Amino acid sequence: IVLTQSPGTLSLSPGERATLSCRASQSVSGSYLAWYQQKPGQAPRLLIYGPSTRASAIPDRFSASGSGTDFTLTISRLEPEDFAVYYCQHFGSSATWTFGQGTKVEIK
Amino acid sequence: EVHLVESGGGLVQPGGSLRLSCVASGFTFNSYGMSWVRQAPGKGLEWVSGLTSGGDATYYADFVEGRFSISRDNSKNTLYLQMNSLRAEDTAVYFCAKYTEWFYFFDSWGQGSLVAVSS
Repeated sequence: IVLTQSPGTLSLSPGERATLSCRASQSVSGSYLAWYQQKPGQAPRLLIYGPSTRASAIPDRFSASGSGTDFTLTISRLEPEDFAVYYCQHFGSSATWTFGQGTKVEIK
Repeated sequence: EVHLVESGGGLVQPGGSLRLSCVASGFTFNSYGMSWVRQAPGKGLEWVSGLTSGGDATYYADFVEGRFSISRDNSKNTLYLQMNSLRAEDTAVYFCAKYTEWFYFFDSWGQGSLVAVSS
């Protein structure tokens, strides 16, 4: 399964809404899909999994939805600390873990 | 608090070998699967290998092609990745990551260890 994220880069201002897309090459179960945030020079951080459960300490401005081949991560109001790269990830039945190529959310 | 600390990276010539280590603390290490995920310079995340809590089952990405071996020592709370026949395209930061309870996702990450393969 290939995960394709769009757009590659999203230029927004603080306070705006961000909508990130993750499209799977074939239908997948949302129970096996997650989103991560990575800031420059840092390790990734689990944001949301399965497909809409927030991980520990993740603020509620982050939400996710989707089914089948189309999944979305939404940041309701961008805070300065939200500008980062976001990855979707899927667990495959053949014990493979696949990441999308990432979407960079940058300050406009 | 979960803490994962990688070591063992460095510069190695093509065809050479390295062993990465990851020391874990802050959780019951022998209860969770563990994994290695890498990131080439300026690129995205790429899963490399994983193993179950007891180390009895191991998994590898296709590109490994038998060159890498993942293992763990639960008495030392340590995860390993033995990398042989290294290629230039293996150059990356290698992150140690803890699986969630259900083995589907990665809920804690180390800061990474840089492996550079070059002559």
